[in-house]
Amino acid sequence: AQSVTQLDSQVPVFEEAPVELRCNYSSSVSVYLFWYVQYPNQGLQLLLKYLSGSTLVKGINGFEAEFNKSQTSFHLRKPSVHISDTAEYFCAVRVYNNNDMRFGAGTRLTVKP
Amino acid sequence: KAGVTQTPRYLIKTRGQQVTLSCSPISGHRSVSWYQQTPGQGLQFLFEYFSETQRNKGNFPGRFSGRQFSNSRSEMNVSTLELGDSALYLCASRDRGQQGGAYNEQFFGPGTRLTVL
Repeated sequence: AQSVTQLDSQVPVFEEAPVELRCNYSSSVSVYLFWYVQYPNQGLQLLLKYLSGSTLVKGINGFEAEFNKSQTSFHLRKPSVHISDTAEYFCAVRVYNNNDMRFGAGTRLTVKP
Repeated sequence: KAGVTQTPRYLIKTRGQQVTLSCSPISGHRSVSWYQQTPGQGLQFLFEYFSETQRNKGNFPGRFSGRQFSNSRSEMNVSTLELGDSALYLCASRDRGQQGGAYNEQFFGPGTRLTVL
């Protein structure tokens, strides 16, 4: 079965600094990859997804992620963060033709002024 | 289009009781999935319903069940509640399309916060 590991449970960063949230996955078959954001007392919102094609994926709010098949990674990046980016971020994987989506444990991003 | 709605938003129950949570998907979406979110276990997949049939099921005991109606609305039931069932229960809907559409985006509701005392 597929699984996801988010390597950092918490990432503190200053406003306007760059940030990288790390995600590694494990699967014996091809997968779709996703990043979601969750603000307090809200559901999850899709930031971006990798289905196929270009390994660099751009999402909403200035986020992007790069799929690296050899390293089985899908790290999320933003060149300059804002206070409003403070939230919980989840990496997720879904196997082709399987509707069971597996989530990582989440990374709490805290942007400080 | 209105988003995914979940009712109630907050619920307090005692051990041994049962509870039913409701989810109304985005209009036109026929797939509804349920997830449990806890600080210790994170986000875990419970089950998915499509066209009133359960299509996938996570690793949860039989106390957790669900159903889907002809209008795609879904309910989740937990019987004989335990303290460990306290969690945020999230519902997500998507348009699976004719090809199964495993990649189609899921839209999440705000969740129901269940507290078991």
